[in-house]
Amino acid sequence: EPEVTQTPSHQVTQMGQEVILRCVPISNHLYFYWYRQILGQKVEFLVSFYNNEISEKSEIFDDQFSVERPDGSNFTLKIRSTKLEDSAMYFCASSVETGVQYFGPGTRLTVL
Amino acid sequence: QKEVEQDPGPLSVPEGAIVSLNCTYSNSAFQYFMWYRQYSRKGPELLMYTYSSGNKEDGRFTAQVDKSSKYISLFIRDSQPSDSATYLCAMRTQGGSEKLVFGKGMKLTVNP
Repeated sequence: EPEVTQTPSHQVTQMGQEVILRCVPISNHLYFYWYRQILGQKVEFLVSFYNNEISEKSEIFDDQFSVERPDGSNFTLKIRSTKLEDSAMYFCASSVETGVQYFGPGTRLTVL
Repeated sequence: QKEVEQDPGPLSVPEGAIVSLNCTYSNSAFQYFMWYRQYSRKGPELLMYTYSSGNKEDGRFTAQVDKSSKYISLFIRDSQPSDSATYLCAMRTQGGSEKLVFGKGMKLTVNP
């Protein structure tokens, strides 16, 4: 069964460093998303991406964040200058259309 | 009032029990309702997906949506230890925003 994959599973970085989280969505899906979950809190929407552009973003998704689909299979989330409060699980999701979203296993980001 | 509210539990039941999980919401524009299961430090896994009001059954799982009360439920019959996980409700509007709005998640333990 096709699934969303994410790498790395765990990323440790120093405050102020740039990180890139990578995702491979399900192959025939057209809509891509990033969510994050701070430990003990709700899963929160960050951004949605369709047709090579951002279709929606939340207040959390400020200028420190960017997304890209550099080729036909990968979808990346970049955090330019990480802060302590960026420590969280980051989930990529994809969907065929604006319907059911399938989630990857997540990348645990730890900012020291 | 929070957009989606879910009692975080925890809930502990004996094997074979019927489990009832619930969420309430305030946004009457929500039309799509989902239940996800999340194991510790893993990504949300889709369990049930319903559109608008009504019931949907899949094996031991039944999802109910009561839009008049802004209340959704997930029932698990004959619960098994493998059902032990955190259950997240999620919902979104039709058209416009693609973001899923999640409840906080209910941690369920089924004891053998």
